[in-house]
Amino acid sequence: SQTIHQWPATLVQPVGSPLSLECTVEGTSNPNLYWYRQAAGRGLQLLFYSVGIGQISSEVPQNLSASRPQDRQFILSSKKLLLSDSGFYLCAWSKPDTSGNTIYFGEGSWLTVV
Amino acid sequence: TQLLEQSPQFLSIQEGENLTVYCNSSSVFSSLQWYRQEPGEGPVLLVTVVTGGEVKKLKRLTFQFGDARKDSSLHITAAQPGDTGLYLCAGALSGRGSTLGRLYFGRGTQLTVWP
Repeated sequence: SQTIHQWPATLVQPVGSPLSLECTVEGTSNPNLYWYRQAAGRGLQLLFYSVGIGQISSEVPQNLSASRPQDRQFILSSKKLLLSDSGFYLCAWSKPDTSGNTIYFGEGSWLTVV
Repeated sequence: TQLLEQSPQFLSIQEGENLTVYCNSSSVFSSLQWYRQEPGEGPVLLVTVVTGGEVKKLKRLTFQFGDARKDSSLHITAAQPGDTGLYLCAGALSGRGSTLGRLYFGRGTQLTVWP
């Protein structure tokens, strides 16, 4: 069966510091990978998605970047965090084919920028 | 602009009551999913519907996909405190985006069931 894991679960970082959130998927090959941000327990905002190694698409311009160095690894980064970057970040994956479009989420990472 | 509009945003009911959550759009979707999320955790998939008019049941939860595939509803019968959570609908647009698995999420309905 497939599993997705992201870390760290919680993070408190000062303004201007760097960020690295990591996500790995097991039990599947060539998944589509996603980073979402969720504010105050509400709807999900898609930040980045990737259909393959080194292929990253950004949905919104922002202070963040994403990388996919390996097939099942997705990293969310920032060089200098802003207060507005605080939130709940979710990594997710979906099957590479077109059927269903079902997305499976990781446990989430709470980021507080102080 | 929100592609999927969920209503109501908040719902607070007593144990044993029935409720319906709606997810509406002017766009046509090739599939639509419902997720449930608890605080501090990632959303968990409840159901995927792909055929217009489709009805799926999951114990006390009934999901319906509109005939035109533009809307969906989630009905819970005899709600229990364990049903408390954030319910999110998400859809894949028909004809584009499906190759990427791109889902558009509603803002969610926060359900609280009191014992």
